[in-house]
Amino acid sequence: DTGVSQDPRHKITKRGQNVTFRCDPISEHNRLYWYRQTLGQGPEFLTYFQNEAQLEKSRLLSDRFSAERPKGSFSTLEIQRTEQGDSAMYLCASSLPTGTNTGELFFGEGSRLTVL
Amino acid sequence: KQEVTQIPAALSVPEGENLVLNCSFTDSAIYNLQWFRQDPGKGLTSLLLIQSSQREQTSGRLNASLDKSSGRSTLYIAASQPGDSATYLCAVRVASKLTFGTGTRLQVTL
Repeated sequence: DTGVSQDPRHKITKRGQNVTFRCDPISEHNRLYWYRQTLGQGPEFLTYFQNEAQLEKSRLLSDRFSAERPKGSFSTLEIQRTEQGDSAMYLCASSLPTGTNTGELFFGEGSRLTVL
Repeated sequence: KQEVTQIPAALSVPEGENLVLNCSFTDSAIYNLQWFRQDPGKGLTSLLLIQSSQREQTSGRLNASLDKSSGRSTLYIAASQPGDSATYLCAVRVASKLTFGTGTRLQVTL
């Protein structure tokens, strides 16, 4: 088990371009989360999936953002028409469902986005 | 709305000192509380998780306590080492999501 894996680790793009990040959770985890972290701040919740179902989305997730988890395994987070304000670290986490265990979240190394 | 505050924002201590990091939260109806470590430019490493029914958890030189009724948690680090230098984040879980504090940036000097 290699933990939560994210790709790419760093993406530099020009304003207006589309970017996509991928997250591979720990294999037996059916919950997957996306968070965004800006410099000097704690991570902020964006959305989460249980298997392939997207169960909650933050109001931070504007229409330019879309997340998918088509087969309940890996997930993608796409940002369309990027803006400089989208520059941040995008963190993915996974967990087993609560009620059957501690509900501990395990995070990946993050994907850092820089929009020029 | 759950709000999480961490004090101090930054801390510098000489090697070998014991130290305490503080975390407070506004809504006591939490499922659990997690402490994380984050190195610069890296992801989050889970250090300790305390369930809402528990009072403390220990792992090596780390001890975390939880007083849910007063909305407080502390992370105690014993015999600090330069390798402990990092940002420490506290997060509380309500329903299915974590709410994070802004972290305490710790520097342990030789």
